[in-house]
Amino acid sequence: DAKTTQPPSMDCAEGRAANLPCNHSTISGNEYVYWYRQIHSQGPQYIIHGLKNNETNEMASLIITEDRKSSTLILPHATLRDTAVYYCIVRSSNTGNQFYFGTGTSLTVIP
Amino acid sequence: KAGVTQTPRYLIKTRGQQVTLSCSPISGHRSVSWYQQTPGQGLQFLFEYFSETQRNKGNFPGRFSGRQFSNSRSEMNVSTLELGDSALYLCASTFGRGTGNTEAFFGQGTRLTVV
Repeated sequence: DAKTTQPPSMDCAEGRAANLPCNHSTISGNEYVYWYRQIHSQGPQYIIHGLKNNETNEMASLIITEDRKSSTLILPHATLRDTAVYYCIVRSSNTGNQFYFGTGTSLTVIP
Repeated sequence: KAGVTQTPRYLIKTRGQQVTLSCSPISGHRSVSWYQQTPGQGLQFLFEYFSETQRNKGNFPGRFSGRQFSNSRSEMNVSTLELGDSALYLCASTFGRGTGNTEAFFGQGTRLTVV
């Protein structure tokens, strides 16, 4: 699976949009981009995933660049409960259901 | 519907003992994967089971083993516990296999402390 690069930490003001970037320049055509988050000592929570089109669900939006080498997770109106570590993962079918978690981005939402 | 259930939530064991952790996946999900999370190594993949067969294995010693039952419930076992095995053990449940387009849902984990 392709490697991802994320900033180690970010801050966001409560009520503002949080934009979390991820670089995956070696992504292959059949690899999906997944986002998970983990609130301290809990299990990772699935947020969203996509292949090449932008995706939106009730939690967030995923914007994937046309060349698919990077993506941005957008939390439209960040709340204090969104404070967590966010993981960007690139996954193919070649590794079954194995997910490679990097170090992620620690997002702090500030009141 | 019910999520992924891991039991027990917390466990304290002594070095040299063995431990068994349990994971019940989401109803209808046939794949269960296990991960170890430590402050130093982050989240690391242990193994994946699908239809009662181990399909994938991470880089862990043979003291770490698992199995899956016909109802898709899974157990993992760690024998001859070491202090370094202290970690949060997470189980992930996935509906199918063979495509990258299936999300995994995680349980709350079992916090194992080895003393």
